[in-house]
Amino acid sequence: LAKTTQPISMDSYEGQEVNITCSHNNIATNDYITWYQQFPSQGPRFIIQGYKTKVTNEVASLFIPADRKSSTLSLPRVSLSDTAVYYCLVATTGGGNKLTFGTGTQLKVEL
Amino acid sequence: DGGITQSPKYLFRKEGQNVTLSCEQNLNHDAMYWYRQDPGQGLRLIYYSQIVNDFQKGDIAEGYSVSREKKESFPLTVTSAQKNPTAFYLCASRGTGASYEQYFGPGTRLTVT
Repeated sequence: LAKTTQPISMDSYEGQEVNITCSHNNIATNDYITWYQQFPSQGPRFIIQGYKTKVTNEVASLFIPADRKSSTLSLPRVSLSDTAVYYCLVATTGGGNKLTFGTGTQLKVEL
Repeated sequence: DGGITQSPKYLFRKEGQNVTLSCEQNLNHDAMYWYRQDPGQGLRLIYYSQIVNDFQKGDIAEGYSVSREKKESFPLTVTSAQKNPTAFYLCASRGTGASYEQYFGPGTRLTVT
């Protein structure tokens, strides 16, 4: 299972774009990259998933370079409610498989 | 209303007692997981199950036990052998197919004194 490295924390202000980068040098050919958001005392929530290039949904974009050794979660125009911990997870798709989370990035958004 | 339920939300036990945390899902998912989270820390995998009657140890299985007799249920027992059982416990499930999304329950906060 590819190990991931993320910044421990990041600070931003409302209305700004936030980019959180995850390093996964040992990613395997069949691995996908998935990002989760967690608020205090709640379970993580799926944000976005991708394999290569760029993926966009209604809440975020995920940028993955050609070598796939890193990925960047982009949150456009953050608000106070985006203050949370963000986890990058790399593993093979399909049911089962050991899914291990890293330490995550604590994002703090201020006025 | 599909999802994962964990009960109870808060649980208090005396040291030396075994305690079982409930996790039920109605998403028809084959895979289920148990994680432990300590204050300010990430999630650590305790056990996971890919199918009924089968489960594997995660990274911190010592002092815990699980069973998977039904597809919908994956209870976790915190035994007296677990040295630091006080934590936030999260259950998750995941279906098969291309999507990699795990669905998490609301969690159970266990306090052992």
